Amino acid sequence: QKEVEQDPGPLSVPEGAIVSLNCTYSNSAFQYFMWYRQYSRKGPELLMYTYSSGNKEDGRFTAQVDKSSKYISLFIRDSQPSDSATYLCAMSESNYGGSQGNLIFGKGTKLSVKP
Amino acid sequence: NAGVTQTPKFQVLKTGQSMTLQCAQDMNHNSMYWYRQDPGMGLRLIYYSASEGTTDKGEVPNGYNVSRLNKREFSLRLESAAPSQTSVYFCASSRGLSSGNTIYFGEGSWLTVV
Repeated sequence: QKEVEQDPGPLSVPEGAIVSLNCTYSNSAFQYFMWYRQYSRKGPELLMYTYSSGNKEDGRFTAQVDKSSKYISLFIRDSQPSDSATYLCAMSESNYGGSQGNLIFGKGTKLSVKP
Repeated sequence: NAGVTQTPKFQVLKTGQSMTLQCAQDMNHNSMYWYRQDPGMGLRLIYYSASEGTTDKGEVPNGYNVSRLNKREFSLRLESAAPSQTSVYFCASSRGLSSGNTIYFGEGSWLTVV
């Protein structure tokens, strides 16, 4: 079993829809959870960052972490064509030393928002 | 703002040839990374450098070498390219290794080994 599982999609939704993207993981030591957005032929860029459990909201984006279920989600409200990209989840353990070197990425979900 | 700059953007190599991917960051970051991204495999860490003068292996280091030339520059070398190294390579940097530090990625280098 891979440490991080993410449905690759593709996911196609109409403009204005609410999008739900998810990742599951097996390592209970993961404490830091991130979502990256990657446009076609570009590098990933950090979208959301959360520590431990709970919700975090930033504009149209909400990140949720449920550590008891080992499940994280990214919700996009009022989706726009400009949200069309691949979304990667990433997570790491709490130890400082080398923790970024142990950042584990999901394979990414490709999202297409149709006008 | 340049951020993380990688060169070349595209390269075709013959099996057995060598090449070096160059990376430079202008954000005064301490830590730098090389990832590869393959369809169905996601992003995988090749090597990273916690700070100037140090390098460590990541998940998939075989067939690669790195050099942290100075604080700004971190190069990735393929000594004898193989078709399995056909991939998109991303350089990245962060202020430090702590998970709270954002990783900034370059725009990628598309490498094909024939």
